[in-house]
Amino acid sequence: ETGVTQSPTHLIKTRGQQVTLRCSSQSGHNTVSWYQQALGQGPQFIFQYYREEENGRGNFPPRFSGLQFPNYSSELNVNALELDDSALYLCASSLGTSGILDTQYFGPGTRLTVL
Amino acid sequence: DQQVKQNSPSLSVQEGRISILNCDYTNSMFDYFLWYKKYPAEGPTFLISISSIKDKNEDGRFTVFLNKSAKHLSLHIVPSQPGDSAVYFCAALRNDYKLSFGAGTTVTVRA
Repeated sequence: ETGVTQSPTHLIKTRGQQVTLRCSSQSGHNTVSWYQQALGQGPQFIFQYYREEENGRGNFPPRFSGLQFPNYSSELNVNALELDDSALYLCASSLGTSGILDTQYFGPGTRLTVL
Repeated sequence: DQQVKQNSPSLSVQEGRISILNCDYTNSMFDYFLWYKKYPAEGPTFLISISSIKDKNEDGRFTVFLNKSAKHLSLHIVPSQPGDSAVYFCAALRNDYKLSFGAGTTVTVRA
């Protein structure tokens, strides 16, 4: 039990649609990171937020965007869904001082299927 | 660009014996390495880490070894227990906070 929750657990969308995934971090954790884990692969870093501002991004297009709120919740938004966006999406929170050498606590993930 | 590689997708070991998981990396800028364990339907949980200035870190049954010259690290679990059956991810961190993960190794501990 990491204290990090995600919703929904599963989601099915069609190509071209938009989706919002939600994460609730541990209280006091100022940093949240989002990862995409495709089948048979390790998690890939999407972006990280620290105190409601994006402070790092991986190799993902701008249609992947996020928000972090003062109540330790956050969102991952994906526009114009493509078939390859089908994956497990994980959020991870940490205490944050930019998350450097800071243990990240992962939620159970949201399984997104794009048809 | 896969900067962290786990070349063994699976490992089967008898209960009580040693499990050795291997990980290779290509980016010499990594300065911190971590192992995560993942059960089905759960997120990865932190297991053990090592700084690039060390070559060994031990925590109970888990020991991580780092060979910087070879850009190689390994995780030893001894003795292996049935509850250790899970997917193990090797991850590496640079000072820009981005965690890079390997593809994972599925460990099965046989009774």
